[in-house]
Amino acid sequence: AQSVTQPDIHITVSEGASLELRCNYSYGATPYLFWYVQSPGQGLQLLLKYFSGDTLVQGIKGFEAEFKRSQSSFNLRKPSVHWSDAAEYFCAVGSFIAGNMLTFGGGTRLMVKP
Amino acid sequence: DGGITQSPKYLFRKEGQNVTLSCEQNLNHDAMYWYRQDPGQGLRLIYYSQIVNDFQKGDIAEGYSVSREKKESFPLTVTSAQKNPTAFYLCASSSTPALRDEQFFGPGTRLTVL
Repeated sequence: AQSVTQPDIHITVSEGASLELRCNYSYGATPYLFWYVQSPGQGLQLLLKYFSGDTLVQGIKGFEAEFKRSQSSFNLRKPSVHWSDAAEYFCAVGSFIAGNMLTFGGGTRLMVKP
Repeated sequence: DGGITQSPKYLFRKEGQNVTLSCEQNLNHDAMYWYRQDPGQGLRLIYYSQIVNDFQKGDIAEGYSVSREKKESFPLTVTSAQKNPTAFYLCASSSTPALRDEQFFGPGTRLTVL
């Protein structure tokens, strides 16, 4: 069965600093990978997705993620964090075997210090 | 504006009562989904519907029921058989069930059992 692990439950960074959120997946074939962001008490918004091709994908709000098959990772990065980036971030993997359903990680809560 | 609406935003229920959460979309999407979110566990799939008049169980369907009589509506009933129903419930939709099609999320309903 597929699974997603986000090792960091909470991360705090200073505004203007760089950010990397970790995501590791377990899946037998080439995965479809996603990053979502959730503001407090709200639904989720898609930041970016990887299906195939270039392993470095660009998303909205200045985010990017790199797919590394050898490490089973899909880490999310941003070169300079803004206070408005404070939110919870979810990594997800999609499976054709599981009827095209998404499996989500437990999430990483990002706090931004002024 | 096109989007997904969920109502109510907050819902309180006494133990032993059934309660129905509403999810409506005006995006003309074929596929709709219900997720449950608990702190630190990410999102878990309850039920999904790939097309009107059809739905499938997700990972945690026990104690829940759904219907899909209209394309735009996918209500979720939390029954008294659900042992721990207090959670944040998110509805989503996508134009088709394919992984390439983004899932758009509603703002969620927070259910509290008293």
